[in-house]
Amino acid sequence: QQKVQQSPESLIVPEGGMASLNCTSSDRNVDYFWWYRQHSGKSPKMLMSIFSNGEKEEGRFTVHLNKASLHTSLHIRDSQPSDSALYLCAAPTGYQNFYFGKGTSLTVIP
Amino acid sequence: EAAVTQSPRNKVAVTGGKVTLSCNQTNNHNNMYWYRQDTGHGLRLIHYSYGAGSTEKGDIPDGYKASRPSQENFSLILELATPSQTSVYFCASGDGHNYAEQFFGPGTRLTVL
Repeated sequence: QQKVQQSPESLIVPEGGMASLNCTSSDRNVDYFWWYRQHSGKSPKMLMSIFSNGEKEEGRFTVHLNKASLHTSLHIRDSQPSDSALYLCAAPTGYQNFYFGKGTSLTVIP
Repeated sequence: EAAVTQSPRNKVAVTGGKVTLSCNQTNNHNNMYWYRQDTGHGLRLIHYSYGAGSTEKGDIPDGYKASRPSQENFSLILELATPSQTSVYFCASGDGHNYAEQFFGPGTRLTVL
């Protein structure tokens, strides 16, 4: 049973467009999330974290968290070809570990 | 920046052979992790460690052993490699706090023939 569900599996957006990625946990004990980005052939690197309800913005990236619905979303505005990557959502397990989702593959077309 | 290295970066093994994947971190982090990544499955936790001498089973430990001889080093051991263990393996470290991020190594691509 996958404890972190991500959607869509893949997403294609034009350069300059908005990309919206979703993530939901089935574990009711989860109250924060991480977002990691993994470029092709590379290792995952932390992109953003969100620990409180609401919104967090860093440059072109905005993360939302709704703890009641166990849902987080990542929005990338003015998408660039360099944003093309696999985006992984992670939720804590309670033992200093994470469950990772399967990821959303984002392609930004010039 | 946190530094996690893995060796080898690529490995071809034969079915039934023994494979050891090594990981070294210079961050003085307490926790270390081994994941495998396969298309359609995402990152799955194999083993992890809270410090030297400790190893814990993750979500998919069958067919794998782990060893943490020191703070810096964490190994993943496949005693009898099988083709189903063909995958990309990532090591990660973290300082053990609940809100701490994990820092990943570059990965090892393992092919078992």
